[in-house]
Amino acid sequence: LAKTTQPISMDSYEGQEVNITCSHNNIATNDYITWYQQFPSQGPRFIIQGYKTKVTNEVASLFIPADRKSSTLSLPRVSLSDTAVYYCLVARGNNNDMRFGAGTRLTVKP
Amino acid sequence: GAGVSQSPSNKVTEKGKDVELRCDPISGHTALYWYRQSLGQGLEFLIYFQGNSAPDKSGLPSDRFSAERTGGSVSTLTIQRTQQEDSAVYLCASSRRALTASGREGIQYFGAGTRLSVL
Repeated sequence: LAKTTQPISMDSYEGQEVNITCSHNNIATNDYITWYQQFPSQGPRFIIQGYKTKVTNEVASLFIPADRKSSTLSLPRVSLSDTAVYYCLVARGNNNDMRFGAGTRLTVKP
Repeated sequence: GAGVSQSPSNKVTEKGKDVELRCDPISGHTALYWYRQSLGQGLEFLIYFQGNSAPDKSGLPSDRFSAERTGGSVSTLTIQRTQQEDSAVYLCASSRRALTASGREGIQYFGAGTRLSVL
């Protein structure tokens, strides 16, 4: 049973803002929402993490509505180098249920 | 380096052979995770360690897979009698504390992976 649902793929163009939404209807009270980025032939790397409302760092923003059943990763003004797979991870109360899901393959075109 | 180190980076083996994959986590990280990623697929969670203990091994795909961690540091994932379906990239990650701890301390840092090819 998948814990998170994301679009399989998205296309964008350089300079545009990209929003990737992840659904996590069964999120628990103590779960954090973490997003990772993976380039080909590399391990995933941390982008941003949040619990509620909005979080912003130097590379992205994360929007979390009050019910926390979804989250949206926002990448401002994407470039070709943002082409990657993006995963959202919602931690369960025990570590034995860490499922990244299939991720969203973002392709940025010139 | 200061990151998670995995070795070997590539491993080619014959069907039926045993293989050992090694992971050196970031110093001071108490939690260590193993994942498997088949070509073009997402990450399949295998097992995690908190210290030297693996609370639940049910994520391992079969009894041919085993993992251990010694000294709260290095971990080894062993696959016995390899099969062609075992071919994948095996990723290791570590975090300061287990994922159920405060969010920042559960952030996972990944190695580059070991690409296993079973002929």
